[in-house]
Amino acid sequence: QQPVQSPQAVILREGEDAVINCSSSKALYSVHWYRQKHGEAPVFLMILLKGGEQKGHEKISASFNEKKQQSSLYLTASQLSYSGTYFCGTENAGNNRKLIWGLGTSLAVNP
Amino acid sequence: EAGVAQSPRYKIIEKRQSVAFWCNPISGHATLYWYQQILGQGPKLLIQFQNNGVVDDSQLPKDRFSAERLKGVDSTLKIQPAKLEDSAVYLCASSLLGGSSEKLFFGSGTQLSVL
Repeated sequence: QQPVQSPQAVILREGEDAVINCSSSKALYSVHWYRQKHGEAPVFLMILLKGGEQKGHEKISASFNEKKQQSSLYLTASQLSYSGTYFCGTENAGNNRKLIWGLGTSLAVNP
Repeated sequence: EAGVAQSPRYKIIEKRQSVAFWCNPISGHATLYWYQQILGQGPKLLIQFQNNGVVDDSQLPKDRFSAERLKGVDSTLKIQPAKLEDSAVYLCASSLLGGSSEKLFFGSGTQLSVL
């Protein structure tokens, strides 16, 4: 039931792009994305609610493919401040909409 | 606006000792969550309060963990007695209403080391 994130870790040079994937074996109602820097609280990025929905936050955007039960987070022209661990959380379709978190994707952006 | 406040920031105890963590959510937020985050893993929900009532405590090890939310505002999470495997960061989060697909605001967490 826990969503699977891939890759586990990414190393980028400043300005490069990255894609982080989140997939589930269950039908999904929503996908949540958070970023956590070392020793800090997770910070909200975005929530995607509908199939095919895309959202953007500066140069970070995401898509949600309801049929494939997966979401992708796109980081464009990465900045040093993008470094951290990205977590997706999923809510299953149906009555029990408990938010379940993935294991996270560690992203390091180097100069 | 002030964020979610947690204390202490760090705690080191020996196994079988007891420990308590405190959380003050964002003012006006009805829902409060306690999460356990083991190194290298995502947050795991321990307990969810709606005002001062428990909504979900299905993953709370009730033989050793307890939590309360005083008057629907502050909350305390206690572990007694602690085990080595309780070493983790304990995150408190709050949300306005607690409905599905709602943004969570997290505190900085309490890092617990059990020796």
